[in-house]
Amino acid sequence: DAGVTQSPTHLIKTRGQQVTLRCSPKSGHDTVSWYQQALGQGPQFIFQYYEEEERQRGNFPDRFSGHQFPNYSSELNVNALLLGDSALYLCASSWGLADTEAFFGQGTRLTVV
Amino acid sequence: GESVGLHLPTLSVQEGDNSIINCAYSNSASDYFIWYKQESGKGPQFIIDIRSNMDKRQGQRVTVLLNKTVKHLSLQIAATQPGDSAVYFCAEGMGNNQGGKLIFGQGTELSVKP
Repeated sequence: DAGVTQSPTHLIKTRGQQVTLRCSPKSGHDTVSWYQQALGQGPQFIFQYYEEEERQRGNFPDRFSGHQFPNYSSELNVNALLLGDSALYLCASSWGLADTEAFFGQGTRLTVV
Repeated sequence: GESVGLHLPTLSVQEGDNSIINCAYSNSASDYFIWYKQESGKGPQFIIDIRSNMDKRQGQRVTVLLNKTVKHLSLQIAATQPGDSAVYFCAEGMGNNQGGKLIFGQGTELSVKP
């Protein structure tokens, strides 16, 4: 049973560019949440997708957007990249919208230069 | 505002000793908490969770204690091993109409000396 998988593992982008990160949830899970983790900090909630809709959003600008597909996989898009967007981006999957076990992928390390 | 914080940023223990990692939370309405372990270069790994209708829950070598009166959470690791070395985060589920959203603390780095 595959857990949460993310791609790519590492990515280097230039300031101003756009990036798309991908996530496949754990089998049986239908909810995907995205988090940003800066070095030495805890993960910060970006947004949550359920039934192909954004259900909750953290304190992130509109440059951060996402999508969920019918197979529950998800994408995170970041436009007009800033140096400060450099971080580990984590995807977490869970079942439904209640507070329940959430499992994380290994993350995508994004470096903006 | 909402916050989950840890009392100690670093903890060093001898192999075989028990470890206790503490966490304070500020939202008294929160009713779900998770402990995660994160090794360098990896995503957070689920360890154990607890709901507010419990004050203690045990797993394999780990125990989570919840004190709702003082809004405090702790993770106890028995017979700590070198493989337990990692950063440990507590996370708070926001519940209500924010189900599934987790608020993380800063983390505690656990170092196990052989």
